[in-house]
Amino acid sequence: GAVVSQHPSRVICKSGTSVKIECRSLDFQATTMFWYRQFPKQSLMLMATSNEGSKATYEQGVEKDKFLINHASLTLSTLTVTSAHPEDSSFYICSARGGAENSPYEQYFGPGTRLTVT
Amino acid sequence: AQTVTQSQPEMSVQEAETVTLSCTYDTSESNYYLFWYKQPPSRQMILVIRQEAYKQQNATENRFSVNFQKAAKSFSLKISDSQLGDTAMYFCAFMTHNTDKLIFGTGTRLQVFP
Repeated sequence: GAVVSQHPSRVICKSGTSVKIECRSLDFQATTMFWYRQFPKQSLMLMATSNEGSKATYEQGVEKDKFLINHASLTLSTLTVTSAHPEDSSFYICSARGGAENSPYEQYFGPGTRLTVT
Repeated sequence: AQTVTQSQPEMSVQEAETVTLSCTYDTSESNYYLFWYKQPPSRQMILVIRQEAYKQQNATENRFSVNFQKAAKSFSLKISDSQLGDTAMYFCAFMTHNTDKLIFGTGTRLQVFP
């Protein structure tokens, strides 16, 4: 149980375009989802926290107009990188928390999405 | 502010041996959780072990155990009988009951040699 998927696993886009990354909880209802960014050989940096049906809460320094997060249902959250630039190239990871059968504080991680902006 | 420090950027161990990864944290909270995550080359984050701060007994999961020293704010991970599949990046993480946010350390890259 507690499986989280991400799609796509890899994406290459041109500078100036937008790209959407999906995060799904497959076998539980995720009341809260988290989006992280990880640069090569570095740790995970929390970008934002989203609760179903409400606006995401962004961490300091993260541009909310650039990284649009939508948590439209209890099983799906999306991250849209708008007007992407090469410096947005990174590994993006989502995690989800929730489900009556799961630990109330444990986060379950997706496999990540590698974004390359050319 | 809460911080997590992993002072060992890289560690290596021979197969079947034991290795200990260090982690210290700083917080003024009394109710929190501590985690060790493994990130293999696939980059999928895998929970290795977790510890609730209110529990005095050290958590154990098969070959993995922790040494939780609350007063010293230390949370080390011991891997016994190391296996080649243990080769990965290991992250120590901290979360308070109030914030629900995971704060990660900088990670320790563990290499297990045959």
